[in-house]
Amino acid sequence: KAGVTQTPRYLIKTRGQQVTLSCSPISGHRSVSWYQQTPGQGLQFLFEYFSETQRNKGNFPGRFSGRQFSNSRSEMNVSTLELGDSALYLCASSTGLAGGSSSTDTQYFGPGTRLTVL
Amino acid sequence: GQNIDQPTEMTATEGAIVQINCTYQTSGFNGLFWYQQHAGEAPTFLSYNVLDGLEEKGRFSSFLSRSKGYSYLLLKELQMKDSASYLCAALLNQGGKLIFGQGTELSVKP
Repeated sequence: KAGVTQTPRYLIKTRGQQVTLSCSPISGHRSVSWYQQTPGQGLQFLFEYFSETQRNKGNFPGRFSGRQFSNSRSEMNVSTLELGDSALYLCASSTGLAGGSSSTDTQYFGPGTRLTVL
Repeated sequence: GQNIDQPTEMTATEGAIVQINCTYQTSGFNGLFWYQQHAGEAPTFLSYNVLDGLEEKGRFSSFLSRSKGYSYLLLKELQMKDSASYLCAALLNQGGKLIFGQGTELSVKP
């Protein structure tokens, strides 16, 4: 089974621009979660999409948004980029069913997109 | 609020045993994950505990006490390749949302 894929792997943008990141989940997974990882804050939850609906949301400003398509692929958009948005953006996929076992609950991470804002 | 604490750094010797502790205070708790992350790579799944007790998987074991909000990861027969960051994470809200600790940077010395 193919793993989680993310594109692009690296991005360089300037302040004020916007960016769109893409995530393709493991086949059969309906949940995609997005995380931001920085050296100072660690891994922080952005939001989760399940069956094309945002099901969970973290504490990030409205500049961060996402969506999910009918094939479970997800995109994340950041508008009006700030220097502090420089980070590794990770997506993770799971069944989204929370069945209480590792087979249903485990989130598998993609390789990430390294975003640098200049 | 949601809070997960784990030590920042640990050092151990090749062949030894190390225990990495994690305490959590969360609402909507479903279960507790441990992930391993090597520098420059994505986190990879190690273990998942839903019920109290010990789960053993080869050289790695993980323990959970829901009443105490406590978990630990036990690594036996340490190898140099075990040098990595170990992330404790609570699964919340019926799935989909992971809250992570800051990670424990483990250095394995010869």
